[in-house]
Amino acid sequence: IAGITQAPTSQILAAGRRMTLRCTQDMRHNAMYWYRQDLGLGLRLIHYSNTAGTTGKGEVPDGYSVSRANTDDFPLTLASAVPSQTSVYFCASSADYTGELFFGEGSRLTVL
Amino acid sequence: QQQVKQSPQSLIVQKGGISIINCAYENTAFDYFPWYQQFPGKGPALLIAIRPDVSEKKEGRFTISFNKSAKQFSLHIMDSQPGDSATYFCAASGTYKYIFGTGTRLKVLA
Repeated sequence: IAGITQAPTSQILAAGRRMTLRCTQDMRHNAMYWYRQDLGLGLRLIHYSNTAGTTGKGEVPDGYSVSRANTDDFPLTLASAVPSQTSVYFCASSADYTGELFFGEGSRLTVL
Repeated sequence: QQQVKQSPQSLIVQKGGISIINCAYENTAFDYFPWYQQFPGKGPALLIAIRPDVSEKKEGRFTISFNKSAKQFSLHIMDSQPGDSATYFCAASGTYKYIFGTGTRLKVLA
């Protein structure tokens, strides 16, 4: 089934380690997004990309970086993980910025 | 700064009742207002959406009411069912800033 694929599904990580969450879509959508979901805080936008080669900062970008080398892939990197980055991370895509978002199943990250 | 404010945080409704969730936004540049439904362990999925040129949109048991002047919109779930028990998020979108509310956990009692 077409859609968004995220990896890993879950990961436990020591503080200070580098981690990359992978996201791939096969819908040829222009826009892609990374959100983190925390209880009581909802979904907060980390970074977004409106087309390959461009990225932008969301609400909570500090400590995270992204790249968009092609249409399909949008990895999220934590250069030096901290416990406050423990969260569930969702990747999403849309055909354009005013349309439906399609979400992946999420990546649960625990930083100890 | 929360650009989209959602209430209530949680809601319990009897089967057959009406569930109402409210959202308010600040940025007048937003021009797309969707609601997403999320079940445990899954990613959110689009439920229904509205654009600011209409005041109401209905799809089955789900209705969005939109008040542009008050910068508010709400989701009404008629004849609520236990299968509707989930977390609901409102959102607002414009210029690639797709912003979500904090979510409402709905439980429909059988």
